[in-house]
Formats: sequence, structure tokens, C-alpha cells
Amino acid sequence: GAGVSQSPRYKVAKRGQDVALRCDPISGHVSLFWYQQALGQGPEFLTYFQNEAQLDKSGLPSDRFFAERPEGSVSTLKIQRTQQEDSAVYLCASSIGQGGPGNTIYFGEGSWLTVV
Amino acid sequence: DAKTTQPNSMESNEEEPVHLPCNHSTISGTDYIHWYRQLPSQGPEYVIHGLTSNVNNRMASLAIAEDRKSSTLILHRATLRDAAVYYCILRVLNNNAGNMLTFGGGTRLMVKP
Repeated sequence: GAGVSQSPRYKVAKRGQDVALRCDPISGHVSLFWYQQALGQGPEFLTYFQNEAQLDKSGLPSDRFFAERPEGSVSTLKIQRTQQEDSAVYLCASSIGQGGPGNTIYFGEGSWLTVV
Repeated sequence: DAKTTQPNSMESNEEEPVHLPCNHSTISGTDYIHWYRQLPSQGPEYVIHGLTSNVNNRMASLAIAEDRKSSTLILHRATLRDAAVYYCILRVLNNNAGNMLTFGGGTRLMVKP
């Protein structure tokens, strides 16, 4: 498709379960971002990839969160031993270049995670 | 990081112009002003951005104050589909983080028929 694609769209996980969220960025986009959005809040930055290199992971809330982009295209955000506070929408975004401040960032529709 | 201040919410009537204000008094010379909006159950969507001069595109206009400490997003004729949360964001030069966007709380725009 033409846009950023995320799957699954909705995920219900039992507390303690591991989850994996997939992001297909726009073809050819170098930069890829993950954001977390809690209900009623603005999105918060988690991590950034330039091609396959993870250049910034300062926003990952704990070592239970892990992201990868091994071939510089598709990315996976993995959350181990999920907890209730992990319930949120996880947004993936991409942009064509190395992220100049004038470049547009395109977002997917998000993966809605509920931990019960 | 440079911060922005926006009203929590605003109301508009359908087919009337809407002016969404944003204050960014600590903006630096290299910060771009970006506006994104987020419709219900959707990811954020790019609206417009600028550096110093006013900008127009098919979605909206961006008016930037001469001192760059404030800006206004202008929707020329609001429709019901424009009801969304509008985020004013300063995109700070940070190549190690891809110049990522730092979102605040945004302005929730409600459009009345």
C-alpha cells in the first residue's frame, strides 16, 4: 500500500504475555520511528531507526521493550512480560530521508494494545 | 527541548474559518514549526509546516509571527471532518534521533453543524 501499515490493528494480551507489533513503512523510507500513545495523551517517542541502525532508543520505558529493523525496511516492536501500564496505542511512522527538520513524517493507524 | 503552548480545546461552526493559536516563546533559529492533526482512531496526519514565512497548502494556512514566538493554523472553512486534535510541534534539529516530533497535549477542535 501507499502508506505506513501496522499489524495487528488490535491486540489483547494477558498480563505476562509477550507481544510483537509489526510496522511496514512506506517503501524506500530511510527513517522509522515508534511512538506510544496512552489514552487522552499525545504520542510519546520511543525509538528511531535510520535504515537498520537504531540510533536512538532513549524513549523505551524499560528493558522489556525491544525494537528491531534488521533489513532496514520492516520493523518489529516487541514487549516482553506485558503489564497493564503497557496498554496504549503504538504508532509507527516513517520519513523519506535521514530526518531533516523540514521533512514530513507519515504515521500508521497504530496498534491498539490492551493488557488484561 | 523547546515547548509549545496551545489551548486545550476550541469550538467552531461548520463552514466558518478557524484560527488555532500556538505559543512557542523559546523557539530557536533552526526549529521548524510543524502542525499535525489526529482524527479519532487514526494516527497523526501532517497538516503543514514552516520556518519563517507564512505557508499555504490545500489543507490550511500557517501564519508565523515576525519574532517566531507564536504561530496560527488557519482552516479556511471548517467541516465536520476537521474535528480532531491539532498538535503544534517544534521540530528540533537532532540528527541522531531523526529530528523526531515531540508532541504536547494539542488542541481538541470541535466543529458544530
